[in-house]
Amino acid sequence: EAEVAQSPRYKITEKSQAVAFWCDPISGHATLYWYRQILGQGPELLVQFQDESVVDDSQLPKDRFSAERLKGVDSTLKIQPAELGDSAMYLCASSTRGLAGDTGELFFGEGSRLTVL
Amino acid sequence: AQSVTQLDSQVPVFEEAPVELRCNYSSSVSVYLFWYVQYPNQGLQLLLKYLSGSTLVKGINGFEAEFNKSQTSFHLRKPSVHISDTAEYFCAVTYSGGYQKVTFGTGTKLQVIP
Repeated sequence: EAEVAQSPRYKITEKSQAVAFWCDPISGHATLYWYRQILGQGPELLVQFQDESVVDDSQLPKDRFSAERLKGVDSTLKIQPAELGDSAMYLCASSTRGLAGDTGELFFGEGSRLTVL
Repeated sequence: AQSVTQLDSQVPVFEEAPVELRCNYSSSVSVYLFWYVQYPNQGLQLLLKYLSGSTLVKGINGFEAEFNKSQTSFHLRKPSVHISDTAEYFCAVTYSGGYQKVTFGTGTKLQVIP
């Protein structure tokens, strides 16, 4: 069964350092999402891509966060510099949004848990 | 803008007892509704979804949900819970069509007590 791949699963870093997360969506899924989930809360959308274009990044803290999906396939989310408040689970998901037969269902990876010390 | 409210942050229930997890949404247009489950340190997995048609939706692991348009609710139910159902459950909403984002509730932790 096809899955969304994410790495690393766990990352510990010191504040002010740079950190990057990688996501490879299910093949054929044009839409890719990055969500941030703080402990005890629901996922919050950071950025949504349709192919290589950003559809929604209204909640992305652009002073320190960046995301790219250069060839419309895999994606990287970067934080520089990391702050204590960035400690969270970073979830990547993909879907068939915008394609015929789309049901709005998201397919999630296992997530990348970030701890900033 | 669409939003989702999950009224209970934690729900303890004894094994083999029934459970209902509540979800209300706000939207004035046609929506798709979802319930996802998350086990510790894992991503979210779809339990069930409502797109249209029958208001009673059945999902995996014996869960079901009922769409109530007049009350803008989509409550999740299971007639008899098992220890393995201990997890966090998220209700989510999106608009049908296009590239609309999916909005999640704050989650309900279901704790099944032996």
